[in-house]
Amino acid sequence: NAGVTQTPKFQVLKTGQSMTLQCAQDMNHEYMSWYRQDPGMGLRLIHYSVGAGITDQGEVPNGYNVSRSTTEDFPLRLLSAAPSQTSVYFCASSVTSGGSSYNEQFFGPGTRLTVL
Amino acid sequence: AQSVAQPEDQVNVAEGNPLTVKCTYSVSGNPYLFWYVQYPNRGLQFLLKYITGDNLVKGSYGFEAEFNKSQTSFHLKKPSALVSDSALYFCLVRGGATNKLIFGTGTLLAVQP
Repeated sequence: NAGVTQTPKFQVLKTGQSMTLQCAQDMNHEYMSWYRQDPGMGLRLIHYSVGAGITDQGEVPNGYNVSRSTTEDFPLRLLSAAPSQTSVYFCASSVTSGGSSYNEQFFGPGTRLTVL
Repeated sequence: AQSVAQPEDQVNVAEGNPLTVKCTYSVSGNPYLFWYVQYPNRGLQFLLKYITGDNLVKGSYGFEAEFNKSQTSFHLKKPSALVSDSALYFCLVRGGATNKLIFGTGTLLAVQP
């Protein structure tokens, strides 16, 4: 298994540009999520999905969109990049959430995004 | 409100000495507690978790953690530190009415040879 994969590893954008961060998992996990990591703040949840066709907002969703058309893929779209979105982005997946919320999450290697 | 605290930004320990990385939490009901490790330029890796049962939980790479309900703590421990243990460690808690997963801010562990 490749686990959770993310592309690209690094990206530099100009303010106002849009882009999509890719995330894929091959473990048939129902639950997928996107986090951003900023110094001194731990990880904060952006959006999550409990299954194909179902997405919901996390703690910091503004400026980001997601979709979940398949179990495997969960792309994160930046609609109009801003310098405040400079961060490291992690995608994660787990077997289920909700009632089985003790399942650990598997994290991708991250995407380092800089917005100028 | 649900929260988790890692009171130390950095822990320094000499190789071969025991190490402790502290975590305290606040959540209503029974918590689910996790420890993850992040090596430089890598994603988070799962170390161990407490769900129920024995208060001492053993995990990967020789780490263990002790759940203390009265002190609302879940400290990460290892009897003998290795230089390769140097990394960023995160404590996570899930529970309460919202069942949200909350991350601590992380503790940087530096093991000196």
